[in-house]
Amino acid sequence: GIQVEQSPPDLILQEGANSTLRCNFSDSVNNLQWFHQNPWGQLINLFYIPSGTKQNGRLSATTVATERYSLLYISSSQTTDSGVYFCAVWRGAGNQFYFGTGTSLTVIP
Amino acid sequence: DAGVTQSPTHLIKTRGQQVTLRCSPKSGHDTVSWYQQALGQGPQFIFQYYEEEERQRGNFPDRFSGHQFPNYSSELNVNALLLGDSALYLCASSLSVGELFFGEGSRLTVL
Repeated sequence: GIQVEQSPPDLILQEGANSTLRCNFSDSVNNLQWFHQNPWGQLINLFYIPSGTKQNGRLSATTVATERYSLLYISSSQTTDSGVYFCAVWRGAGNQFYFGTGTSLTVIP
Repeated sequence: DAGVTQSPTHLIKTRGQQVTLRCSPKSGHDTVSWYQQALGQGPQFIFQYYEEEERQRGNFPDRFSGHQFPNYSSELNVNALLLGDSALYLCASSLSVGELFFGEGSRLTVL
């Protein structure tokens, strides 16, 4: 299978600060998604981004597929951004999505 | 547009019992995947159903089985429960192999 590594594993930010989360993967992939897991356990879709850059409000993501990494940027962080962020990659038909181990983000007021 | 719905949200079982979890996919989706998430870890793929067939399976024992119905809803069955089966069970739906959308999960505790 594909190895997916996320860094940092834990991150504590003051409200209003910016952060960058990284996802490295060990093989070429067809798709990549970023999720935010809220305290109740639900995985919320953030980005579906096999390549390129996308932005959604204070969040943006960039995937460089040829170099096998993706970055998630959070600007002007808010306490509601707290939770665990996962990236998941998929190699193609007949394969599964592989999840990273996550980055646990805590935003303090 | 209803998203992915799972039931029950919480349940408690004892070792050796059997459990059935249910999932209704997002409208228009035809593929359902199940994941197990232990505390502090990322979701682990159990299996995926498409056109009522198990299309892909992760590294889980045969105690884990599933089913997909003609309306694309799905069940996950776990037999002979072990303490280690305690976890959050997540269902995801997609249109074939497209973007995944997750339900809120079923939290299983095995005593």
